[in-house]
Amino acid sequence: DGGITQSPKYLFRKEGQNVTLSCEQNLNHDAMYWYRQDPGQGLRLIYYSQIVNDFQKGDIAEGYSVSREKKESFPLTVTSAQKNPTAFYLCASSPRTTVNEQFFGPGTRLTVL
Amino acid sequence: SQQGEEDPQALSIQEGENATMNCSYKTSINNLQWYRQNSGRGLVHLILIRSNEREKHSGRLRVTLDTSKKSSSLLITASRAADTASYFCATVRGAQKLVFGQGTRLTINP
Repeated sequence: DGGITQSPKYLFRKEGQNVTLSCEQNLNHDAMYWYRQDPGQGLRLIYYSQIVNDFQKGDIAEGYSVSREKKESFPLTVTSAQKNPTAFYLCASSPRTTVNEQFFGPGTRLTVL
Repeated sequence: SQQGEEDPQALSIQEGENATMNCSYKTSINNLQWYRQNSGRGLVHLILIRSNEREKHSGRLRVTLDTSKKSSSLLITASRAADTASYFCATVRGAQKLVFGQGTRLTINP
């Protein structure tokens, strides 16, 4: 899982609550990404950031928010506006100047009760 | 929308056999990448092939790319039980964005 950590590994949330997933990297990568993975499916891009204090929406950004205040950290907040938040969330990073390879964290499994 | 589509969706073979997975994509690419995901874990980068390359090897892995057919294949030779995982192809879309297929779930039976 490289130098990327995600916490917690499992997260349970009551319906209507916001929850924040942590992602930290020590690879000195400029770019960071959040993906959502549903059972038996591929990855869908939620948000990405190429530089500190800047981020862009991916394909499924509705109901999610992010911040990039530090190069090492890219937390994802799943808001109550996300209608179907139960999923496996993966964070990744890559050097800014290339899309040759993305390094992934171990993931957080979010379950809404 | 998914750029890459893997085929087959699931593959089950005996240990020692070769496993072949295919990926098709729709638009022109700079490179195509293959990743592996063990159940409940993050993805691990396996190999990258550039658009001007036709074949690439890494250990027991062999990747081919046919840009005229917009397709790629991943061959794992002499499979082992530890190769059991899901395998995804990914292509670059825009700056710094990868688009992943839905994956092939590979099971190696001992």
